[in-house]
Amino acid sequence: DQQVKQNSPSLSVQEGRISILNCDYTNSMFDYFLWYKKYPAEGPTFLISISSIKDKNEDGRFTVFLNKSAKHLSLHIVPSQPGDSAVYFCAASGVLTGKLIFGQGTELSVKP
Amino acid sequence: ETGVTQTPRHLVMGMTNKKSLKCEQHLGHNAMYWYKQSAKKPLELMFVYNFKEQTENNSVPSRFSPECPNSSHLFLHLHTLQPEDSALYLCASSQDPGQGVEQYFGPGTRLTVT
Repeated sequence: DQQVKQNSPSLSVQEGRISILNCDYTNSMFDYFLWYKKYPAEGPTFLISISSIKDKNEDGRFTVFLNKSAKHLSLHIVPSQPGDSAVYFCAASGVLTGKLIFGQGTELSVKP
Repeated sequence: ETGVTQTPRHLVMGMTNKKSLKCEQHLGHNAMYWYKQSAKKPLELMFVYNFKEQTENNSVPSRFSPECPNSSHLFLHLHTLQPEDSALYLCASSQDPGQGVEQYFGPGTRLTVT
C-alpha cells in the first residue's frame, strides 16, 4: 500500500503562472515532509521541507503548504520558469526514523 | 569531485553475470543509502548504512548484496538478477540517518538486465 501518493503524473503550466503540485499521505505518524526535484540524468535534489508543527514554509518562489487534517501537502511555484521543468517528488518521514517514503513523482513542464 | 558520484552510469548485464555498482560521497557524511526507482514508481529504499554499519535492509532479495567499507564508499554487488530488476539505482548520503536530515543523491546507475 502506497503511503505517499502523487496522483498527477504530469502537469503543464505557462511561464509566469503558478504551478501547484499535490501530494497525499496516509500515515498519521509522518511529521516531516520534503520536496525533491529531479532533472533527467541527474539525481534528485532537495528543494524545500516542512515539519508538522507548521502549515507553511516559503523559500523564494517555492512555498509548501501542509494540511495535517487532510493529510495533504502542496508545492506552489510562482512565477513558474522554463528551468523549473523537472520531475518533483514529495517524501515523508516519521518521528522515530529518518527513513524517507517517496511519492511516484509529478513531471512539471513549464512552457515559454 | 564533489557531492555524490556513482559509477557506472549505465550497465547492461545478463542474468548470469556478476557486477557491482559503486557510490562515493565527498561530503563527510556518516549515512549512506541505496534506492531503487522503477519506471513510474516511487523511489524505494533498499539499504541504509550508518558509520559503515547496516541499519536497514528493506526486505531486499539476497541477489543484491551491499558493502560499505568506510563512510565514503558504498557498493551494491549484483548477481543472478532478473529482468524485473532493471531500474535506476540511486545512492544517497546524509550527515546522519535521523529525521529532517537532508539526503544528497548521486546521478544514479541505469541498470538493464537482459
